[in-house]
Amino acid sequence: AQSVTQPDIHITVSEGASLELRCNYSYGATPYLFWYVQSPGQGLQLLLKYFSGDTLVQGIKGFEAEFKRSQSSFNLRKPSVHWSDAAEYFCAVGNTGFQKLVFGTGTRLLVSP
Amino acid sequence: DAGVIQSPRHEVTEMGQEVTLRCKPISGHNSLFWYRQTMMRGLELLIYFNNNVPIDDSGMPEDRFSAKMPNASFSTLKIQPSEPRDSAVYFCASIAAGGRSYEQFFGPGTRLTVL
Repeated sequence: AQSVTQPDIHITVSEGASLELRCNYSYGATPYLFWYVQSPGQGLQLLLKYFSGDTLVQGIKGFEAEFKRSQSSFNLRKPSVHWSDAAEYFCAVGNTGFQKLVFGTGTRLLVSP
Repeated sequence: DAGVIQSPRHEVTEMGQEVTLRCKPISGHNSLFWYRQTMMRGLELLIYFNNNVPIDDSGMPEDRFSAKMPNASFSTLKIQPSEPRDSAVYFCASIAAGGRSYEQFFGPGTRLTVL
């Protein structure tokens, strides 16, 4: 069965500092991986996705993620965090039909001045 | 496009009452998903429809929950009778048929509180 682990429940980063959010997945076939962001009181918005090809994918808002098959990881990164990036971030793995997504438990990002 | 529309945005009800949550997917999208988000269990898929047909309802917690999609532009999630443990945020999402982005577009959610 598919599963996603986000080991960090909370992360605090200073504004302007770099960010890396961890995501590990378990899936028997080639995974289809996603990162979503949820601002308070809002629904989820897609940041980026990986299906195949280049293992470094670029997304919106300056985010990128790198797929590492050997480590079963899909970590999200941003070189310089802005206060507006404070939100909850979810990693998800999808099945081949892209119909079902299994989400991780989320990482809440706090940005300090 | 207005995006995925959910109503109501907030619902407060008493235990034992019937609750109906509504969702209008993005026009042209052919798959619709209902999720529940709680602090304890995170984001769980309850059920999804493809071309108005329920495909997988294995996430529906129990018989008190039911979902329908009578046409391509409307779906409901009903809880009868409601219980305090049903308190959560319920999200609806839709995805385009044959699209290459495979992005699920989420609505703003309905925050349900059962007293």
